[in-house]
This record gives sequence, C-alpha cells and structure tokens, in this order.
Amino acid sequence: DQQVKQNSPSLSVQEGRISILNCDYTNSMFDYFLWYKKYPAEGPTFLISISSIKDKNEDGRFTVFLNKSAKHLSLHIVPSQPGDSAVYFCAASNPDSWGKLQFGAGTQVVVTP
Amino acid sequence: GAGVSQSPSNKVTEKGKDVELRCDPISGHTALYWYRQSLGQGLEFLIYFQGNSAPDKSGLPSDRFSAERTGGSVSTLTIQRTQQEDSAVYLCASSLGPGQFYGYTFGSGTRLTVV
Repeated sequence: DQQVKQNSPSLSVQEGRISILNCDYTNSMFDYFLWYKKYPAEGPTFLISISSIKDKNEDGRFTVFLNKSAKHLSLHIVPSQPGDSAVYFCAASNPDSWGKLQFGAGTQVVVTP
Repeated sequence: GAGVSQSPSNKVTEKGKDVELRCDPISGHTALYWYRQSLGQGLEFLIYFQGNSAPDKSGLPSDRFSAERTGGSVSTLTIQRTQQEDSAVYLCASSLGPGQFYGYTFGSGTRLTVV
C-alpha cells in the first residue's frame, strides 16, 4: 500500500527555469516530510524537510510547500542547474512509526542546457 | 569512517543460495535502517535498529530475511534461499537519532541480482 506517491516518473526542464516536483500522500498521520536527491550509483542524500505545522520551508534555491488539506507537497527548484539532474524522492513519517520513513517512487529530473 | 559503507557493491547469486549484505554506519549514529529499492519502485522499509532497543522488523517481507546489528555498530542483512523477486538495490542508512528529525545518511547500496 503506497502511502506516498510521486506520479511523475520524469521531468525535463531547461537550465535557469523552475523545476516543480509533486508528491501526494494518503496517511493524515504523517507529520514530517523530507526530500532526498539521488545520483546514479550513490545513496540518496537529504535535501530539505518540512514539519506539518508549517506550509513552506526555503533553503537557497530549494523550497518545499505543504498543503495538508490536499495531502500534497511540492518541491520547487529555482533556478534549475545541470547539477540538479538526479532522482528526487519524497518521504514522510508519522509519530506511530518512530524513525521510519515512507518513500515515494521518485522523479527523475533532467536539466537541459 | 566518513560515511555509511556497504559491501559488496554488487552481488550476483543463484536462486536458492543465501546472501549476506554488510553495512558499516557512521560512528556514533545510534539509528540504522535497511531499505530496498526494486526496479521502478520507491524505497521500501525493511528493518530499523535504534540503540539497544529491540529492532523494528515490521518491513521484512518474509522469514527468509533477517538482520542483526552487533555491538551497536555494523549490521548484516541476511537473505536465505534467495528468490528472483529479491533482486533489488539494498540501501543502508544511519542517523544520530530518529530519521525524521536528523535525516538519514545513506550508503551507496548493494545491487543484488538473483539469477
């Protein structure tokens, strides 16, 4: 039962433009959300997170938005750079599963010159 | 070490054989996790060790899977009588504490292929 869904397996964007990655979840108990970035042959690396008490968190070029009523979050990358080409995973946790994260299937982002 | 180390990086095994995958977490990290990623799928939770507490084994897909963590450090994931559906990338991660607050540091994974 996939509780975290990333419905777009891939995204292509021009360098300098905005990348918007979407993530939907079904478990209303989730209270913390994270985004990870993964390059080929490497493990995922933490990118940015947001608590359910907030609706926005920004870190440099990366902003995560959370819409709890819609059970939806998104990651904005502005401006996109070639080094952003990677797979991005959305993840979520709930207080009943202490420490455990539920991951989406990932979105492959390709930034073209 | 500086990061989470996993070995081997690649493993090809025959169906029915047993395999052992090793994870060496970051020194001082009390939490250790095993996930796997099958082709086209997200990361699937397998097992979670936190300090000296009993591990959370709720994600192990069958009794052919087991894991241990010795001395609060190195962990070994064992798959007995491997099946083709066990083919996946097995990722280990560690964190200072519960992952949602500290984030995980992942290893590069072990790609397991069962033929």
